[in-house]
Amino acid sequence: DTGVSQNPRHKITKRGQNVTFRCDPISEHNRLYWYRQTLGQGPEFLTYFQNEAQLEKSRLLSDRFSAERPKGSFSTLEIQRTEQGDSAMYLCASSLDVTIAFFGQGTRLTVV
Amino acid sequence: GQNIDQPTEMTATEGAIVQINCTYQTSGFNGLFWYQQHAGEAPTFLSYNVLDGLEEKGRFSSFLSRSKGYSYLLLKELQMKDSASYLCAPSGGSYIPTFGRGTSLIVHP
Repeated sequence: DTGVSQNPRHKITKRGQNVTFRCDPISEHNRLYWYRQTLGQGPEFLTYFQNEAQLEKSRLLSDRFSAERPKGSFSTLEIQRTEQGDSAMYLCASSLDVTIAFFGQGTRLTVV
Repeated sequence: GQNIDQPTEMTATEGAIVQINCTYQTSGFNGLFWYQQHAGEAPTFLSYNVLDGLEEKGRFSSFLSRSKGYSYLLLKELQMKDSASYLCAPSGGSYIPTFGRGTSLIVHP
C-alpha cells in the first residue's frame, strides 16, 4: 500500500456540471477526511467518516456537496451544479483511529 | 470553535534556526499537528503534540503549552529544501485537524 490515492489529479469542468472525485485511503485506516484548499490558505475541513458513517460535516458545506464511503473503504465526493467558487484543490486524508492523518496528492478542480 | 493564528511569511538564511509560532483557541482541544506543504503538493506530517513540552525529531522540534494555547515549530540547520508552508493544526472534540492559513517560510542562501 503506497498511501492515500486520489483520482483524478486534475479536473476541468464547465460551470453547472456535476463532478465526482474518488479517494482510496490507506488500507485499514478507519477515518477518512475531505478538505478543500485554495491558494494561500490552509486546508479547510469539509467532512469526515469513521468507517462508513459520515460523522461530521462542515457548516460551510453547501447542499451541492455530498460525500459517501460505502463499505468503509474508498470515498467519493460529488459536487453538483459546479460554480467558479468551487475551483480549489480537494484533499483527502486518512488515519487509523485518532492518530496521524496522511494526505493524498489531491484533485485540482477548475470550473470555467 | 477554532481560532488559529500564525505568521503569514518568514524568511531565514540557510544553516540558521527559525521558530514558527502558532496560537489557537480550540474547543475540546486534544492535540496539535504540524504539517509541511511544498507548493503544489499535499501536506506531509511533521509532528503531533498532546502533552506540554518539547518534542524533538531530528532537525525539527515542536513545543506545546496547552494552558497558553501556544505551540511552536523549531527548524534547525535550515536547508533550501525547507522552503515551504508550515501548517499548524490543532484538533478538537472529534480529533479532526483544523488548519491555520500556514506560514510560508523562505530559506535563502
